[in-house]
Amino acid sequence: SQTIHQWPATLVQPVGSPLSLECTVEGTSNPNLYWYRQAAGRGLQLLFYSVGIGQISSEVPQNLSASRPQDRQFILSSKKLLLSDSGFYLCAWSTPGGPYGYTFGSGTRLTVV
Amino acid sequence: KQEVTQIPAALSVPEGENLVLNCSFTDSAIYNLQWFRQDPGKGLTSLLLIQSSQREQTSGRLNASLDKSSGRSTLYIAASQPGDSATYLCAVRGTYKYIFGTGTRLKVLA
Repeated sequence: SQTIHQWPATLVQPVGSPLSLECTVEGTSNPNLYWYRQAAGRGLQLLFYSVGIGQISSEVPQNLSASRPQDRQFILSSKKLLLSDSGFYLCAWSTPGGPYGYTFGSGTRLTVV
Repeated sequence: KQEVTQIPAALSVPEGENLVLNCSFTDSAIYNLQWFRQDPGKGLTSLLLIQSSQREQTSGRLNASLDKSSGRSTLYIAASQPGDSATYLCAVRGTYKYIFGTGTRLKVLA
């Protein structure tokens, strides 16, 4: 069966520090991968999605970047965090090429102080 | 541009009530619609997935309907329980990605 792992679960980082969040999927090949952010009291905002290794689409201009170095690995990064980067970050995957649903990871709560 | 709206934003009901959560979307060209549940501080759990060609899906006490032409979906919860308390999100899928509503925060009182 397919599983998705996301870590860390919580993170407190100072302003200006770097960020690296990792997401991996098991039990499937060539998944579509997504990073979402959920700010306090707001809906989910799509940040990045990837349909293959090295293929990253950015939805909103921001202080973050994403990479997909391996088929089932998706990384969210920042060189210098801002206070506004605080939020709940969720990784998700879906099977490509069909009307399939999303499966989400358990999320990372990021607080920038 | 697809926009997804959920009404009501919050709902508080006594245990045992049947209830309906609403989701509307502006662009009917969707692949599917998915309902999720989110507990505080947790990730999203998929409840029901309705393909664009389907009218409804059922799982236990949950029933979701889809009227693509009018841009609406409803999630029906029968005989609500305190354990149903959570935020419920609907999302519609375009080519690659889902667009989410802002959710309905449900509280079921014992």
